Amino acid sequence: TQLLEQSPQFLSIQEGENLTVYCNSSSVFSSLQWYRQEPGEGPVLLVTVVTGGEVKKLKRLTFQFGDARKDSSLHITAAQPGDTGLYLCAGAITGNQFYFGTGTSLTVIP
Amino acid sequence: DAGVIQSPRHEVTEMGQEVTLRCKPISGHNSLFWYRQTMMRGLELLIYFNNNVPIDDSGMPEDRFSAKMPNASFSTLKIQPSEPRDSAVYFCASSFTRGNTIYFGEGSWLTVV
Repeated sequence: TQLLEQSPQFLSIQEGENLTVYCNSSSVFSSLQWYRQEPGEGPVLLVTVVTGGEVKKLKRLTFQFGDARKDSSLHITAAQPGDTGLYLCAGAITGNQFYFGTGTSLTVIP
Repeated sequence: DAGVIQSPRHEVTEMGQEVTLRCKPISGHNSLFWYRQTMMRGLELLIYFNNNVPIDDSGMPEDRFSAKMPNASFSTLKIQPSEPRDSAVYFCASSFTRGNTIYFGEGSWLTVV
């Protein structure tokens, strides 16, 4: 059983469209992170959120931590082919021991 | 900095053979993680070291898996004997204990036939 469930599992969209990826759990996290992983490489950290309700923006990416610190969302505006990759959320219950979600594979078609 | 360095990058081995994966964390980091990634199970935490001491190995699948960290700059993950279901990408990652940015290596792609 996965601690963190992501949806959708796969997403294929046209360049310029908007999308939202969800990360859900029944556990409360002290912090939550989002990573992007490209083929043949390890995951790379995009953002860390620590406060319930926190919203962070990274260019066209908007990350939100749920009020109860059990869930998070990643919204991408005007997706570009360079956004293609596997998006992973990861939650820490204590310290820096992070557990990863099931992943969302995003393909942006030019 | 060179980042987290893993070796080998790719390994193909026969069932029953011993496999040893190696990791050099980023200098100065005192937390080290081993993860396994498969299509079916995603990215799973196998074991976590802090200051070279195993803190949580509850993710290690079974006794065939063992991990060591003899010093701050080196760790190994060993599978003996290996089985086809062990085929996966194994990632090593490191961070500062009080930091929350985890840096991943490029992974070791293991295929057991």
